[in-house]
Amino acid sequence: QVQLQESGPGLVKPSETLSLTCAVSGGFISSSSYYWGWIRQPPGKGLEWIGIVYHNGNTYHNPSLKRRVAMSVDTSTNQFSLKLSSVTAADTALYYCVREDMVATRVDFWGQGTLVTVSS
Amino acid sequence: QSALTQPPSASGSPGQSVTISCTGSSSDVGGYNYVSWYQQHPGKVPKLMIYEVNKRPSGVPDRFSGSKSGKTASLTVSGLQEEDEADYYCSSYAGSNKLVFGGGTKLTVL
Repeated sequence: QVQLQESGPGLVKPSETLSLTCAVSGGFISSSSYYWGWIRQPPGKGLEWIGIVYHNGNTYHNPSLKRRVAMSVDTSTNQFSLKLSSVTAADTALYYCVREDMVATRVDFWGQGTLVTVSS
Repeated sequence: QSALTQPPSASGSPGQSVTISCTGSSSDVGGYNYVSWYQQHPGKVPKLMIYEVNKRPSGVPDRFSGSKSGKTASLTVSGLQEEDEADYYCSSYAGSNKLVFGGGTKLTVL
């Protein structure tokens, strides 16, 4: 059973960079069948797909986030990361790290989520 | 990449059937058979209920079914039970390795 666990600061100041890491257990990030990604959910609102990273470092992200998103993967530690720059209060959300099936594009495993608040 | 359109709310009595729609465009729902549905209870992590329009993961009751016609996908919950009360989100492949979600539908069991 794959398990994902997010970690990172719960509070980020406006204009700074949000950084999160996801540790994967029970499976290998180097698997050729899956993407590893991030989905967020502002308090009381819906889900928003942020983007995905493949084990070779290829990334794909939501165009609405423009150039603020950077994702990376570390196969040696079985972890992947998200950086979101120039954050504002609108980036306050519960951030989930997830596994996404490459073929079916289904999200079949989710972390528990970590709340990131953007505030001075 | 615009969010898919879902009704904000839906409801039904125990034992009844309810259908939730998810409308997109030819660039997402209408263009691919990669629509998924997720159930989220308050304070919980979303759970995959349907993928590839109408396939159920192991363990999901067959009361849950999915379909698609043109640019609109649908989730039907038959034989409504109290535990089905939750938020439901659709998602669709939108090309170029991107996903898009719907705004969510709050299902109330009356």
